[in-house]
Amino acid sequence: EILLTQSPATLSVSPGERATLSCRASQSVNNNVAWYQQKPDQAPRLLIHGASTRATGIPARFGGSGSGTEFTLTINSLQSEDSAVYYCQQYNTRLTFGGGTKVEIK
Amino acid sequence: EVQLVQSGAEVKKPGESLNISCKASGYNFIHYWIGWVRQRPGRGLEWMGIIYPGDSDTRYGPSFQGQVTISADKSVTAAWLQWSSLRASDTAMYYCVRGAVAVDPRYFDFWGHGTLVTVSS
Repeated sequence: EILLTQSPATLSVSPGERATLSCRASQSVNNNVAWYQQKPDQAPRLLIHGASTRATGIPARFGGSGSGTEFTLTINSLQSEDSAVYYCQQYNTRLTFGGGTKVEIK
Repeated sequence: EVQLVQSGAEVKKPGESLNISCKASGYNFIHYWIGWVRQRPGRGLEWMGIIYPGDSDTRYGPSFQGQVTISADKSVTAAWLQWSSLRASDTAMYYCVRGAVAVDPRYFDFWGHGTLVTVSS
C-alpha cells in the first residue's frame, strides 16, 4: 500500500501570507494526486486533482504542484475562511489518503 | 445539480448489523463510481471501497475487505454500506463519495453530508 506523509501536522499562518503544505508518497504516484479541504463539521471538498488542476469553483489562490513522490499545495493570500484541515490523496495504485495538515490563521 | 443524500445517524450495540444508504441524484448514476470514506473521531480520512453501478464492479481498501459490504441499485440510484457485526471501533462518520472519472475511481468530486455511526454497549 502506498503511504502518504503530510507535513507539517499544523501550520499557523497570518492572513494575507502564503501557506505551503507538503505531501510525500512512499513510491512514485506520477501526478495522480488530489487535495481536499475539510472545515470543522463539514464534509471534505475537492480542491485539486492531477496534482495541479483546480476543481470547479476553486479560487485561483489555491495551487498544486509536484510529481513522482513530492507534492505541494500552496495557498496564496491566506484568508480566514481557509482555516481547515487539508488532505492529499493518491489514486495511482488503489486509493490512499495522507494524514492531513491543519492550517490555522494567526 | 449532483446530490448525495445519506441516511441519518445511527446508534447501535456491538454485534448488531447495520445498513446505511446514499441516494444519488442529478447525474447518470450508472456511469460513475460511488463509494465510502470513513473518518473516526478526531482522525483522518480512510478510503473503504467503491462500486461501479453499471456492472457492479466493487473494490475494497485493504483494511476493509471482508469487514463491510458495498452495494448499489441502479433502479433507485442508491448505494449502501453494510456491516454484519458491528464493533466499537466502527464508531465513525461515514461519507458517501462520487468518483469524478467514469472509467476508474480516482478522486472524489462530490461528497455526501456524512452519516454518524456510534457503536456502544
